[in-house]
Amino acid sequence: SQQGEEDPQALSIQEGENATMNCSYKTSINNLQWYRQNSGRGLVHLILIRSNEREKHSGRLRVTLDTSKKSSSLLITASRAADTASYFCATEGSGYSTLTFGKGTMLLVSP
Amino acid sequence: DVKVTQSSRYLVKRTGEKVFLECVQDMDHENMFWYRQDPGLGLRLIYFSYDVKMKEKGDIPEGYSVSREKKERFSLILESASTNQTSMYLCASSWTGGADNEKLFFGSGTQLSVL
Repeated sequence: SQQGEEDPQALSIQEGENATMNCSYKTSINNLQWYRQNSGRGLVHLILIRSNEREKHSGRLRVTLDTSKKSSSLLITASRAADTASYFCATEGSGYSTLTFGKGTMLLVSP
Repeated sequence: DVKVTQSSRYLVKRTGEKVFLECVQDMDHENMFWYRQDPGLGLRLIYFSYDVKMKEKGDIPEGYSVSREKKERFSLILESASTNQTSMYLCASSWTGGADNEKLFFGSGTQLSVL
């Protein structure tokens, strides 16, 4: 298993601040994805970055990927209380394979 | 919008009961997945299916089976429920080809308690 590991496990910030979460993984990947989960609900796909990409943006989200370090980061700029959720990275290994999820980072954004 | 529907939001069963968790998707996705989510362990893949009547074991298939008789429906079966199967169960689906085929669409989850 090449389960990704998110860091930190929990993050608490004020509205307006930026939130940065990191993900490390162990083996070669085709792509890395970030998902969001509101408390007790299903996961929602946020953004996908492929192994040949280094950075990707979507609205207030910025994802970077460093395949040499086997790591990725998710930056949420100008956080809002509504961003409070758990964030998971998921990796698709080289060759056809299923997604493997990390344990997640719990983000709390206080008004 | 893609919709993945799980039949129950909360379910309480007794040890030894046979439990069926149902999942239906409305976007003609080829691939369907069952994960369980436990605090501190993240999401773990139980079973998945790439087509009707096909199934593949995930990382933790023991104690579970699945059924996919129709393309839109993927059922998870606990043959004899045990307390260690108390968990949040998440169903997901995806396309095989086309744009965004790698991303998963999730249902809202079923919180199963086995007493």
